[in-house]
Amino acid sequence: GIQVEQSPPDLILQEGANSTLRCNFSDSVNNLQWFHQNPWGQLINLFYIPSGTKQNGRLSATTVATERYSLLYISSSQTTDSGVYFCAVGYVANTGNQFYFGTGTSLTVIP
Amino acid sequence: NAGVTQTPKFQVLKTGQSMTLQCAQDMNHEYMSWYRQDPGMGLRLIHYSVGAGITDQGEVPNGYNVSRSTTEDFPLRLLSAAPSQTSVYFCASSYSRKPGRSWMPPGDTEAFFGQGTRLTVV
Repeated sequence: GIQVEQSPPDLILQEGANSTLRCNFSDSVNNLQWFHQNPWGQLINLFYIPSGTKQNGRLSATTVATERYSLLYISSSQTTDSGVYFCAVGYVANTGNQFYFGTGTSLTVIP
Repeated sequence: NAGVTQTPKFQVLKTGQSMTLQCAQDMNHEYMSWYRQDPGMGLRLIHYSVGAGITDQGEVPNGYNVSRSTTEDFPLRLLSAAPSQTSVYFCASSYSRKPGRSWMPPGDTEAFFGQGTRLTVV
């Protein structure tokens, strides 16, 4: 399967700080999503971004598929941003939509 | 539109018991899948289905069975629970890319996950 590496594994931020999370993957993909797993364990869709750049409020993401990486930017972090951020990649075909997950970046935002 | 619904949210089983985790989606998605999440790890694929009547194995299928009799439902069965199956289970659904499809559905192949089932086997 596709290998997915996320960095950093852990991150502690002061409220209001900015951060960049990185996702590297080992093979060509046509599907990439960023998720936030909140302290209650729910997986929240952040971005569906197989290529290009998207923004949603304080969060934005960029995927450079040809170079096999994606970045998630969090600006003006808030305590509610705490949790684990997962990158999931895959190759979608008529045989399905299988994701390969990284091990996540655990973010703690302190007031 | 409820999205992906999983039941139960929590379950405790004794070793050797059987149970079924339910997953339903109301988005008319062809593709459904089950993942498990263990501490410190990302999600790993157990089984998946590309449509009613079609299922296949993922990365960690042993000890689990699935069936897909309808587009909406994709239950996961544990035939004889073992402590190694203690985990959090997630169901996901999305559109898939069908040959000959002349239109792209809203959101293309973005996947949606259920809220998870926390299973403990003692």
